[in-house]
Amino acid sequence: GAVVSQHPSRVICKSGTSVKIECRSLDFQATTMFWYRQFPKQSLMLMATSNEGSKATYEQGVEKDKFLINHASLTLSTLTVTSAHPEDSSFYICSASPGGETQYFGPGTRLLVL
Amino acid sequence: GENVEQHPSTLSVQEGDSAVIKCTYSDSASNYFPWYKQELGKGPQLIIDIRSNVGEKKDQRIAVTLNKTAKHFSLHITETQPEDSAVYFCAASKYAGGTSYGKLTFGQGTILTVHP
Repeated sequence: GAVVSQHPSRVICKSGTSVKIECRSLDFQATTMFWYRQFPKQSLMLMATSNEGSKATYEQGVEKDKFLINHASLTLSTLTVTSAHPEDSSFYICSASPGGETQYFGPGTRLLVL
Repeated sequence: GENVEQHPSTLSVQEGDSAVIKCTYSDSASNYFPWYKQELGKGPQLIIDIRSNVGEKKDQRIAVTLNKTAKHFSLHITETQPEDSAVYFCAASKYAGGTSYGKLTFGQGTILTVHP
């Protein structure tokens, strides 16, 4: 149980394009979903928190107009990186919580912007 | 905000030995402390967690201890195996109950290498 999937697992795009990453909780309803970013050999950095049906809460320093988050249902959240640039290249990981303090993480999406 | 420090950054052990990773946190209100294992190119996997009303928790070869007074918690892996090699992250959060959620603050990670 408690499986979270992400799609795509890796994506390569040209600078200036937008990329959408999906995060799904497969066997539970996620009241809250989180989006993290991880650079090589570094820890996870929380970007934003989203609750189903409401606007995401972004961490300080994260541009909400650049990283659009939509939590459309209790099993799906999407992160759209708009007008991606090479510095946006990173490993993006989502997590989902069925309620309470426990978070289950997805397998991550490797984004490379050329 | 919360700050979590994790040590050591790298740990190398022989198969069968024990491994201990330590974390300290700054916010005395934090009440949930999970440990995650991350293999290369994959997302973190929850391996064990402990809540502030418990001092120790064990699951087969893995145990976690919590000292609330000193604000530190540790991961203990016994009888290590090569497949235990990965990056381990500790984290802390402050959960208020009900429909609220707790934001995780992660430690810097420990690269564990178990040599056959």
